[in-house]
Amino acid sequence: DIQMTQSPASLSASLEEIVTITCKASQGIDDYLSWYQQKPGKSPQLLIYDATSLADGVPSRFSGSRSGTQYSLKISRPQVDDSGIYYCLQSYSTPYTFGAGTKLELK
Amino acid sequence: EVKLVESGGGLVQPGRSLKLSCAASGFSFNDYWMGWVRQAPGKGLEWIGEINQDSSTINYTPSLKDKFTISRDNAQNTLYLQMSKLGSEDTAIYYCARVGYYSGLDYWGQGVMVTVSS
Repeated sequence: DIQMTQSPASLSASLEEIVTITCKASQGIDDYLSWYQQKPGKSPQLLIYDATSLADGVPSRFSGSRSGTQYSLKISRPQVDDSGIYYCLQSYSTPYTFGAGTKLELK
Repeated sequence: EVKLVESGGGLVQPGRSLKLSCAASGFSFNDYWMGWVRQAPGKGLEWIGEINQDSSTINYTPSLKDKFTISRDNAQNTLYLQMSKLGSEDTAIYYCARVGYYSGLDYWGQGVMVTVSS
């Protein structure tokens, strides 16, 4: 199985910062990587697919990138509404695997 | 508007079976792979499996392959998850999701709670 090591587990950021969350794959996944936001009591929502493509309706302050087998989600000038838990998912090979999640608090 | 609505959850005794349904609308159901994901209370997301358009390919996470069965009825625009030999470790919110044409699960249902307890 491909392991997705996500970090940090939690972070607190100000509205002026750039927030970066990373997921490192245990092997190459050919950019079959997506990012999700989940708010309390809600289902996850797709933010980024194919590592760098923004899903429909997602604000442009969200972006995705890759360096080797490490994938990053960046939130530029986050809004209070961006608080929640963020997950990555590799869908390169089954079983697909999620990262453990990053809890983002905005202050 | 794409909608996915799960049903069939509830309280079930250990060792029993339960079948979840996911009613899809707002898109051409038989053009998409569909999948199931679960989330235990206070925990992260776990991919359960997926099924292709004509049910000829079904993939599972290995630890659940012998307990869970994914199926679909394209005439009824409905996805199913048959769960058997349930244990407390299966207590979770179960989500159905549409597999996008690219990587990722692009639409999710609201989830249905399954509680396994005597």
